[in-house]
Amino acid sequence: GAGVSQTPSNKVTEKGKYVELRCDPISGHTALYWYRQSLGQGPEFLIYFQGTGAADDSGLPNDRFFAVRPEGSVSTLKIQRTERGDSAVYLCASSRTSGPQETQYFGPGTRLLVL
Amino acid sequence: DQQVKQNSPSLSVQEGRISILNCDYTNSMFDYFLWYKKYPAEGPTFLISISSIKDKNEDGRFTVFLNKSAKHLSLHIVPSQPGDSAVYFCAASITGNQFYFGTGTSLTVIP
Repeated sequence: GAGVSQTPSNKVTEKGKYVELRCDPISGHTALYWYRQSLGQGPEFLIYFQGTGAADDSGLPNDRFFAVRPEGSVSTLKIQRTERGDSAVYLCASSRTSGPQETQYFGPGTRLLVL
Repeated sequence: DQQVKQNSPSLSVQEGRISILNCDYTNSMFDYFLWYKKYPAEGPTFLISISSIKDKNEDGRFTVFLNKSAKHLSLHIVPSQPGDSAVYFCAASITGNQFYFGTGTSLTVIP
């Protein structure tokens, strides 16, 4: 079956602009996660959804970052007033449900470059 | 504050030999650990996991060892194959939802 997909694969924007990154999880997966991976670092947790609700958004760096999952499937990560430091690969993952020992399946990521 | 550390950024191993990748963590509350493998331009893929109630988990050529007293885990790959060449991340969790990742070790298996 189809894996996690993310669009766009690459996004170049200018400082101060608004961007939206989309994640399509594996069909039927109720849990969805967003991570950010900066150059030379491992993925850094941002937010996780169980169904439509954000169960843990403690990783969002500031209020410029926001994510939604209105129907419990597709999720959008929104970044306002982008800064050069936001440049990174944004990874999305989904799992059948939340909790320990539920494997998270990652998408290929969206590479964001803020000029 | 890096709670999960992989101190070796790279490792080269001859095909057929054992690859040992190491990971250290600082938070004693972590109770679930995983290894992910990542190829360029792809997302990480799950490799193997271990719960804190165990000290070893084996899956084919891959074995993960956990030493809770030392807050250390390692991934052994034997025999190593050229297709194992990738970046390997270890990750740890308390709740099983928010995972803390290390910075990765790039493994090169030389044919």
